[in-house]
Amino acid sequence: SQQGEEDPQALSIQEGENATMNCSYKTSINNLQWYRQNSGRGLVHLILIRSNEREKHSGRLRVTLDTSKKSSSLLITASRAADTASYFCATHSNYQLIWGAGTKLIIKP
Amino acid sequence: NAGVTQTPKFRVLKTGQSMTLLCAQDMNHEYMYWYRQDPGMGLRLIHYSVGEGTTAKGEVPDGYNVSRLKKQNFLLGLESAAPSQTSVYFCASSYVQPPSLNTGELFFGEGSRLTVL
Repeated sequence: SQQGEEDPQALSIQEGENATMNCSYKTSINNLQWYRQNSGRGLVHLILIRSNEREKHSGRLRVTLDTSKKSSSLLITASRAADTASYFCATHSNYQLIWGAGTKLIIKP
Repeated sequence: NAGVTQTPKFRVLKTGQSMTLLCAQDMNHEYMYWYRQDPGMGLRLIHYSVGEGTTAKGEVPDGYNVSRLKKQNFLLGLESAAPSQTSVYFCASSYVQPPSLNTGELFFGEGSRLTVL
């Protein structure tokens, strides 16, 4: 069963704009992780936020976590063509990661 | 540093045939995982291992078997392939974060694309 649900399922924006993706989950978590998957490739870890953290930054990425709403958001600022990929959230609970279906992000030149 | 390597990358099977997917990691990670990815769905955990000689069932274990005889290798076997097992299979490994034993980031292989006719 899927714990994380990303929203939107697909997002198309112009290069240079910001992209925001959301993830909702159902049960309590230890941490929440975001991954990127380029077409035909494996997943690559982007950022991990612990349940006691509210916000985290890594380069052009900003992740927030609201445990009261059981939701997280991933913001990519100043998007580039290379950011075109699918983005997945994964929630860690009971020593396992449970994955959402992903958001497909397309950056238009 | 190769990271996580999966072999083979592509395979076509006929219904009823058997095969083994091999995953090797060179990062000395304790945890290893096998996932399948189907269109429009997130990753689903098939089996996982928390250390050499141990395996456990994930969300969708039926029709698959695994073995972890060496810490660096995790094998996924299909004893009698079915068309429903057509998918992309990903192996991943992770370190353990003491003292909570929480999983840190996962490192993924490039995937093995299996088609069962």
